[in-house]
Amino acid sequence: DQQVKQNSPSLSVQEGRISILNCDYTNSMFDYFLWYKKYPAEGPTFLISISSIKDKNEDGRFTVFLNKSAKHLSLHIVPSQPGDSAVYFCAATRDNAGNMLTFGGGTRLMVKP
Amino acid sequence: EAQVTQNPRYLITVTGKKLTVTCSQNMNHEYMSWYRQDPGLGLRQIYYSMNVEVTDKGDVPEGYKVSRKEKRNFPLILESPSPNQTSLYFCASKSGTDNYGYTFGSGTRLTVV
Repeated sequence: DQQVKQNSPSLSVQEGRISILNCDYTNSMFDYFLWYKKYPAEGPTFLISISSIKDKNEDGRFTVFLNKSAKHLSLHIVPSQPGDSAVYFCAATRDNAGNMLTFGGGTRLMVKP
Repeated sequence: EAQVTQNPRYLITVTGKKLTVTCSQNMNHEYMSWYRQDPGLGLRQIYYSMNVEVTDKGDVPEGYKVSRKEKRNFPLILESPSPNQTSLYFCASKSGTDNYGYTFGSGTRLTVV
């Protein structure tokens, strides 16, 4: 059973609008969460992270929100740009060093010009 | 340029023929890890290593071996590949002083027929 789930396989958004990517988890022991972005033929690249002691972390156009009670996190991209078109993976970990990451299945974001 | 290098990028092999996928990083990172990516399942961790001669199983270690004789190299060995090991494989590394944010290689697409 997948402990980290991204229920939307794909999302299409108009350029300039907000993109919201969602992620749910089941393991209450997870205490750190990350988002990775992946372009075709490349490896995933780290995007943004959040500790369980916070409910929001912002980095430029990217903001991650964490709702621990709902075991839900989301990635907001504002404004969305065509170059943001990629597959986004959320990941979670419960070890301090972050060695063992559990990934969701990914959401393919398409930003239309 | 700081990077994780995997070889080969593409490999087609036959069932039972031993193979090795190499991984090398030039960032002096302590931690290294192997993941496989399958549609809808995201990335699943196969093995990880916290330093030279220290390795441990991830979520899906069956059918795989690893070794960490040098800090920079972390090869993935399939002693007797089977068709269910057809997948996209990623090697990743990170510094022990950074809690999170693996750097990934570009991937190895393996097909076992």
